[in-house]
Parts: sequence; structure tokens; C-alpha cells
Amino acid sequence: AQRVTQPEKLLSVFKGAPVELKCNYSYSGSPELFWYVQYSRQRLQLLLRHISRESIKGFTADLNKGETSFHLKKPFAQEEDSAMYYCALFTSYGKLTFGQGTILTVHP
Amino acid sequence: DSGVTQTPKHLITATGQRVTLRCSPRSGDLSVYWYQQSLDQGLQFLIQYYNGEERAKGNILERFSAQQFPDLHSELNLSSLELGDSALYFCASSKSDSTSYGYTFGSGTRLTVV
Repeated sequence: AQRVTQPEKLLSVFKGAPVELKCNYSYSGSPELFWYVQYSRQRLQLLLRHISRESIKGFTADLNKGETSFHLKKPFAQEEDSAMYYCALFTSYGKLTFGQGTILTVHP
Repeated sequence: DSGVTQTPKHLITATGQRVTLRCSPRSGDLSVYWYQQSLDQGLQFLIQYYNGEERAKGNILERFSAQQFPDLHSELNLSSLELGDSALYFCASSKSDSTSYGYTFGSGTRLTVV
């Protein structure tokens, strides 16, 4: 069965420090993974997709099939990055399976 | 504005009551998904519709039901409400049921059961 695991419920860093939000997945097929961000209980917004290999707001994520991971990274965290981050796995019929989410707090 | 419209934004109701949440998908999107977000359960998939037909079901209670209408808007009906049903209910839409472009989410309906 497909599963997405975000092991850290809370993550705190200081402004300017590197940040890495962990995501591991379990899926028998070829995975397609996403990161979503939610600011202050607002709507979820797509941050990036692994297939596009893009960098949004300084964030990047690389799919590691060997480790079944899709960790989200940013070299220098900013206070405005404080939010809830969800990793999601695309499965059948367009369904996205979400992890439990990680609340990132960037301190000044 | 994401293009996905959810109404109402807030809803306060008593236990045992029934409510209807409404979602209008982004123009051109055929699939609608409903999710429940609570502090302890995270983001839980409830149900998906594609072009009027139910496509997938998740952790949706029997007290909950949904439908998608010919104009593609969707409604989520919650009945015999309990305190534990208090949550943010999100609707999302996508162009098809096989897209890997992700969803566009609405702003959610915050349901409070008192």
C-alpha cells in the first residue's frame, strides 16, 4: 500500500540556517511526488513537483529511489518560510496521499 | 485566488445537525477531491469525483456523503454531526483523474461542532 511518512512533526531553525524536511514514501509503482505548503491554516499551495526538477522560493527536492525519499531542502531559511509542509505521493486516479505534515518555524 | 471556490468559509453548528459544504472546481477541471484536516489526524482523503462519477473513496464515514453535479460543482454532506467532526474541510480539483500535475486547493470550510 502507498504511504508517505514525514518523521518530524515540528522543525525549528534560525534564519539563515539550512533546512531539510524529510519525506519517505512506500509505493510499488513509479512514484510521482509533490511538496505542498500551507501558511497559517490557509489553503494548501503546490510548492514543487519532482518531475519538473524546479526550485521554488529557494526550495529544492530530489527523488532518491534507492532510499525512497523526497526530502525538501533550502540552504538559507527565511522567516517567511514558517509554515506547514506536506509531502504527497500521486497514485491511481489522480489521488494524492499526503504525509502527516511538518510544521517549520524559522526564528529570527 | 486559486480558482477553486468553497462555501461557506466558516460554519458553526450543533451536534446531531446536518450541513452541506459546497465546492466549485477551477474552470476546466473535471476531478474534485475532498479532504478533512484536523490537528490529530492530519490531512485525510475523503472522496473523489470525476465528471460526475465517484472515483475513489478514502476514510469517509457513513454519516458523510458527497456528489458532483452536471455543472461539476460538488457538495459534501455531513450528518449526525459529532464534536469530533470539527475540522477544516478542503476541496481540490484537477483536470483529469490521471494527472500528475497535482491539485489546486480551495481555501477550505472551517466546521465547528458545538
